[in-house]
Amino acid sequence: EPEVTQTPSHQVTQMGQEVILRCVPISNHLYFYWYRQILGQKVEFLVSFYNNEISEKSEIFDDQFSVERPDGSNFTLKIRSTKLEDSAMYFCASSGRGQPAMYFGPGTRLTVT
Amino acid sequence: QKEVEQNSGPLSVPEGAIASLNCTYSDRGSQSFFWYRQYSGKSPELIMSIYSNGDKEDGRFTAQLNKASQYVSLLIRDSQPSDSATYLCAVTPRSQGNLIFGKGTKLSVKP
Repeated sequence: EPEVTQTPSHQVTQMGQEVILRCVPISNHLYFYWYRQILGQKVEFLVSFYNNEISEKSEIFDDQFSVERPDGSNFTLKIRSTKLEDSAMYFCASSGRGQPAMYFGPGTRLTVT
Repeated sequence: QKEVEQNSGPLSVPEGAIASLNCTYSDRGSQSFFWYRQYSGKSPELIMSIYSNGDKEDGRFTAQLNKASQYVSLLIRDSQPSDSATYLCAVTPRSQGNLIFGKGTKLSVKP
């Protein structure tokens, strides 16, 4: 069964450093998303991406964040200068055309020290 | 502010019983409704989707939607210890778009 994959599973970085989180969505899906979940809190939407551009973003997704689809399979989230409060699980998700159901990857645990 | 509300639990049921999980949402225009299961430290796993009023059954799971009351529920029949997890209700305000999640209800099924 097709699945969303994410790398790395765990990333530790120092405050102020840049990190890139990588995702490979399900191959025939067209809509891509990033969500995050701070420990003990709810899953929060960050950004959605369709047709090679951002279609929607939340207030969390400020200028420190960017997304890219560098090739036909990868979808990346970059955090330019990490803060302590960026520590969270980051989930990539994808959905197909006409299929609202969204499938999540296993997540990357980002720890900022 | 669009909100999705769930009782945080924990909800404890004995093995074999029916577990009933509830969710309300604030945006009356919401169109798609989902239940995800999340084990500790893992990602949300889609278990049910429902788009129109009424019941939808899939194995031991039944989702119920009442748009007039802005209410979604999930019934788990013959609950098993492996069903112990946090159940997340999620809503999208459009036919396709980002999900708004509730905080989740933690379910514990006791053997």
